[in-house]
Amino acid sequence: LAKTTQPISMDSYEGQEVNITCSHNNIATNDYITWYQQFPSQGPRFIIQGYKTKVTNEVASLFIPADRKSSTLSLPRVSLSDTAVYYCLVDANTGGFKTIFGAGTRLFVKA
Amino acid sequence: DAGITQSPRYKITETGRQVTLMCHQTWSHSYMFWYRQDLGHGLRLIYYSAAADITDKGEVPDGYVVSRSKTENFPLTLESATRSQTSVYFCASQGDRYSNQPQHFGDGTRLSIL
Repeated sequence: LAKTTQPISMDSYEGQEVNITCSHNNIATNDYITWYQQFPSQGPRFIIQGYKTKVTNEVASLFIPADRKSSTLSLPRVSLSDTAVYYCLVDANTGGFKTIFGAGTRLFVKA
Repeated sequence: DAGITQSPRYKITETGRQVTLMCHQTWSHSYMFWYRQDLGHGLRLIYYSAAADITDKGEVPDGYVVSRSKTENFPLTLESATRSQTSVYFCASQGDRYSNQPQHFGDGTRLSIL
């Protein structure tokens, strides 16, 4: 099972780019990497998903190296409203549904 | 456009009592999930369901029971609540797992067991 490791917390300032890295050394061939965002008193919300190389959408970019043992979520020009917990998820298709969330990274964006 | 809704949002009960948390989704998604979230543990999968009448255990199933008689509903029951089950519970749904569609989460039920 591909467990994930993320920094517990990060601080940033408004307007900066934030990069959050997730390690998943035991990722399986068929696994995808998905990132979610969670605000207090709300459920997680999907941000971005990828398998390899780079994926970009209107919210973020996801960088995945060739060995896929890690991934980096990049948030361009963060604002105060980006303060949240960010979860890296590796979908493990083998052995049934063993969805594994990392402990999450608490991002604080300061003015 | 309700999407996925959980009820109640807050619940206080006593040890030994039975309590049921409700989850309803309007998308006709095949897959549904129950997670619990505790400080320091992130989200942990309790049970999941691939379709009506098909359920299976996740990472932490002990003390919980689920059923899925209809595609849109996936209730979670604590048959005899214990203090260790005090947590925030999230329900999620997913349309098609093998095309890796994301999960959609409800806003959670905060359950306190005294």
